[in-house]
Amino acid sequence: RKEVEQDPGPFNVPEGATVAFNCTYSNSASQSFFWYRQDCRKEPKLLMSVYSSGNEDGRFTAQLNRASQYISLLIRDSKLSDSATYLCGTKAAGNKLTFGGGTRVLVKP
Amino acid sequence: GAGVSQSPSNKVTEKGKDVELRCDPISGHTALYWYRQSLGQGLEFLIYFQGNSAPDKSGLPSDRFSAERTGGSVSTLTIQRTQQEDSAVYLCASSPQGSLSTDTQYFGPGTRLTVL
Repeated sequence: RKEVEQDPGPFNVPEGATVAFNCTYSNSASQSFFWYRQDCRKEPKLLMSVYSSGNEDGRFTAQLNRASQYISLLIRDSKLSDSATYLCGTKAAGNKLTFGGGTRVLVKP
Repeated sequence: GAGVSQSPSNKVTEKGKDVELRCDPISGHTALYWYRQSLGQGLEFLIYFQGNSAPDKSGLPSDRFSAERTGGSVSTLTIQRTQQEDSAVYLCASSPQGSLSTDTQYFGPGTRLTVL
């Protein structure tokens, strides 16, 4: 079993709709959690860190469920420009960031 | 300011040759990471440098892979006797301190390596 797992998708989303997806992690010692966005043939860029209480940044909401060991990302009012691969990353002691395989989102008109 | 830079952007080599990939982190960042991303896959951790501490090499897939970081800045990832399965995008990232669990990593554009 991989340490961090994601549904690869693709999630086909009508423009304006809401989409949500999860990322599960197996290392209970994980301390920090992140969502990165990666466009095709580009480097990953930090979308948002995930805090224990959950956090929101505009149309994006991230939540952490420590009991069930998963984080989630919700995108409201999807835009065509939201089409990308979303990578979750977790960090335990030692500062090594472990990534999932990514969830591909395609927003269509 | 300038971000993380990597060179070359693309490298095509023949099986069995050695290659060197370079990473220039963001100025002042003490932590530097190397990852590998195969086509359609997630990022695979390779190695992590933090200041003057011994690097965390736990992700290097074989002894053909090595990395150095000179003067606490530029890093070089070397792959000896390349194999076709080494073909991937090699991404470098840096972060300000590395010692904080919330430290953000900033990625370079990557080097796309193709081994024929």
